[in-house]
Amino acid sequence: TQLLEQSPQFLSIQEGENLTVYCNSSSVFSSLQWYRQEPGEGPVLLVTVVTGGEVKKLKRLTFQFGDARKDSSLHITAAQPGDTGLYLCAGSTYSGAGSYQLTFGKGTKLSVIP
Amino acid sequence: GAGVSQSPRYKVAKRGQDVALRCDPISGHVSLFWYQQALGQGPEFLTYFQNEAQLDKSGLPSDRFFAERPEGSVSTLKIQRTQQEDSAVYLCASSSLRDRRASGANVLTFGAGSRLTVL
Repeated sequence: TQLLEQSPQFLSIQEGENLTVYCNSSSVFSSLQWYRQEPGEGPVLLVTVVTGGEVKKLKRLTFQFGDARKDSSLHITAAQPGDTGLYLCAGSTYSGAGSYQLTFGKGTKLSVIP
Repeated sequence: GAGVSQSPRYKVAKRGQDVALRCDPISGHVSLFWYQQALGQGPEFLTYFQNEAQLDKSGLPSDRFFAERPEGSVSTLKIQRTQQEDSAVYLCASSSLRDRRASGANVLTFGAGSRLTVL
């Protein structure tokens, strides 16, 4: 069973601060995805990283995939109240059943206070 | 439709009742997934369909859980003799093979989920 550990579990910061969320595993993944989920909604895909060492930027969000493809981080610069939500990382592995199965972490619940 | 549609959004069942949850995927999406998300947890995989074929049902927690997608479009997740531990949000997601080939990974679009509460 592949496990993804996310830290911190909860994060409450002031608007304008920077933050980093971590996603760690002992397993190697073919790719890793980050999702954001708001209350009462399904997760929405933010980014997919595929190559070890890859860095992707999405406005104020920077995503990094570890060299060994076992871990990832999400860095948010100058957080805004609209960034509030549950951030989920998900590792993809081939399930052998014609599908790439996603294993999710438990998430980091971010609150950005105005 | 434009997105993945799930119904009902909320379901309250008495312990022992059967429930059926429906998922309408994005038109043309070949792959369909069901996930279970307990309160404060990340989604956990239940089952996967490619068209009408159920290729992976390794995540179904017991034989009380059954999923079908008879015509390769709409899917139904059925839970028989519900128990309190079945209380969760059930999420459906769909993806296209074209998106997977382009990105190297499944690009899942999730529905808003069906929240099941078993009393």
